[in-house]
Amino acid sequence: DIQMTQSPSSLSASVGDRVTITCRASQDIRNDLGWFQQKPGKAPQRLISAASTLQSGVPSRFSGSGSGTEFTLTISRLQPEDVATYYCLQHNRYPPWTFGPGTKVEIK
Amino acid sequence: EVELVEAGGAFVQPGGSLRLSCAASGFSFSNYWMHWVRQAPGKGPVWVSHIHHDGSRTTYADSVKGRFTISRDNTKNTLSLQMNNLRVEDTGVYYCARAAGLDYWGRGTLVTVAS
Repeated sequence: DIQMTQSPSSLSASVGDRVTITCRASQDIRNDLGWFQQKPGKAPQRLISAASTLQSGVPSRFSGSGSGTEFTLTISRLQPEDVATYYCLQHNRYPPWTFGPGTKVEIK
Repeated sequence: EVELVEAGGAFVQPGGSLRLSCAASGFSFSNYWMHWVRQAPGKGPVWVSHIHHDGSRTTYADSVKGRFTISRDNTKNTLSLQMNNLRVEDTGVYYCARAAGLDYWGRGTLVTVAS
């Protein structure tokens, strides 16, 4: 099975800050990676597919990069509504589909 | 607009059974793989099961293999999950999700397994 790790597990940043979250896969997954945002009490929502393709309606301050085993989600200017937990998901080698453990983003 | 609506969650005792359903609309259901994903309280999402677009192949997480059965009815645009021999650790919100990349999710249905 492919294992996914994320760092940091949590972060606190100020409004307007640049925030970077890293996701690593235990094997090469090409660009078969998605980033999801989950707000409390809500279902996860995909922000980015294929490692770097922004989903329709997602603010342009979100961006993704990477391929192979290392991936990054960046929020260019953190906004209050971005408070959430962010997960990566690999869908290259399955089953199982595997999620990262999550990164909780808070406002300082 | 893609919509997925789960139903069937309930409180059940260990060893009991439950059947979840997911009603799909706004897309051609029969063209898509579908999944069940669960999330225990305070934890991250965990993939549970998937089914091919035509039902020809199903896969399961090791933790549910032999106890859960995924199925679909493409004439009714409905996905199901039959859960037998439920355990306390099966407790959580169960989501259905669409496609290999899990691009759309429902709002989830809560399953609580406790004595």
